[in-house]
Amino acid sequence: AQRVTQPEKLLSVFKGAPVELKCNYSYSGSPELFWYVQYSRQRLQLLLRHISRESIKGFTADLNKGETSFHLKKPFAQEEDSAMYYCALDSSNTGKLIFGQGTTLQVKP
Amino acid sequence: DTEVTQTPKHLVMGMTNKKSLKCEQHMGHRAMYWYKQKAKKPPELMFVYSYEKLSINESVPSRFSPECPNSSLLNLHLHALQPEDSALYLCASSNQPGQGLGEQYFGPGTRLTVT
Repeated sequence: AQRVTQPEKLLSVFKGAPVELKCNYSYSGSPELFWYVQYSRQRLQLLLRHISRESIKGFTADLNKGETSFHLKKPFAQEEDSAMYYCALDSSNTGKLIFGQGTTLQVKP
Repeated sequence: DTEVTQTPKHLVMGMTNKKSLKCEQHMGHRAMYWYKQKAKKPPELMFVYSYEKLSINESVPSRFSPECPNSSLLNLHLHALQPEDSALYLCASSNQPGQGLGEQYFGPGTRLTVT
């Protein structure tokens, strides 16, 4: 079965600390993985897709097929990074996004 | 225009009412989606339209009826809803089917309350 797991509901760090939001997936094919972010009172928006391998707002994510993981990392957290983060899997490029349960990142001053 | 717009922002309806949610995009995207999102939960896919044709229906109850009049518009017709249908309804769009469909652009949502 296709599944995305985000084991942490809440991750709380201090400003300037490194951040790692965990995401594990279960998928038999070649996955397309994404990170979406939802800031308070803003729409859900795409943060990263694994294919582009780019860094957005200082965040990076590497697909590890051996560990079936796609963890989101940032070396130095900023207060404006506080938001809900969703890892998502696009099964068979159908547009059917399977979301994880989400992790709330709280960056304290 | 690089945004997905949704109207209305808020909607309160009784269980016997009929109402519609509207979604519009002018990015030339040919896939459009309806999601339902409960508080502090991830979006749940309801419907996918590809080239104005319904391609995925996630076993959604018939009291929700989607419609795609053209490539820019997506409607969700509501009737005889239940209080548990109260949620944020999100519309999204993405590029041509078969090309990066997971990269979706979301609207701000319609907050629906069923009384």
